[in-house]
Amino acid sequence: QAQLVQSGAEVKQPGASVKVSCKASGYTFTTYGISWVRQAPGQGLEWMGWISSYNGDTHYPQKLQGRVTMTTDTSTTTAYMELRSLRSDDTAIYYCARAPLKWEDSPWAFDIWGQGTLVTVSS
Amino acid sequence: DIQMTQSPSSLSASVGDRVTITCRASQTISSFLNWYQQKPGKAPNLLIYAVSNLQSGVPPRFSGSGSGTDFTLTISSLQPEDFATYYCQQTSRNPLTFGGGTKVEIK
Repeated sequence: QAQLVQSGAEVKQPGASVKVSCKASGYTFTTYGISWVRQAPGQGLEWMGWISSYNGDTHYPQKLQGRVTMTTDTSTTTAYMELRSLRSDDTAIYYCARAPLKWEDSPWAFDIWGQGTLVTVSS
Repeated sequence: DIQMTQSPSSLSASVGDRVTITCRASQTISSFLNWYQQKPGKAPNLLIYAVSNLQSGVPPRFSGSGSGTDFTLTISSLQPEDFATYYCQQTSRNPLTFGGGTKVEIK
């Protein structure tokens, strides 16, 4: 069955970077995209961006432009999310989720999710 | 950004109750509206996509409706496993945004 398995928890200092991985299995990696969503402690869900696993096209929210980079490695069917210049309010659980292959596809929804990776930013 | 407003933010209900959660978008989003269920310590789970389409494996007691800016999620007969937090999501425009969530608790 299709699944996404994420890397383990991270603790980072303010100003550092973090790179979270998301390994896909059970489906053809290059026929779907990957989105990242985060959830601060006790809070709601925030979309962080999307990448096409086929051609590397990306879309990010303006709020995170310049601070987030999403990549994929088709040889290992793994997606990555790197967030730079970490602040305390970046402390959250980070989820990857399977998304449509093309930004213009319809319908658009996240049908499979990783288990989440806790990133703690603290000095 | 499109703001998604859910109501209520929490509710208490009994097993067997009919439960309705509403989601209002700050501008029209056509049918680009999804619903997710999240249980404590778990990732969200897709329930309904494109307003009213039931995701595979989701029980038919869940249904969705609406168009434009106003949408609803209905649970026809609440079951013990349905106690969770529910989120709506719009996928009409970047940034994709979620509602603030509705926590469904046991009465």
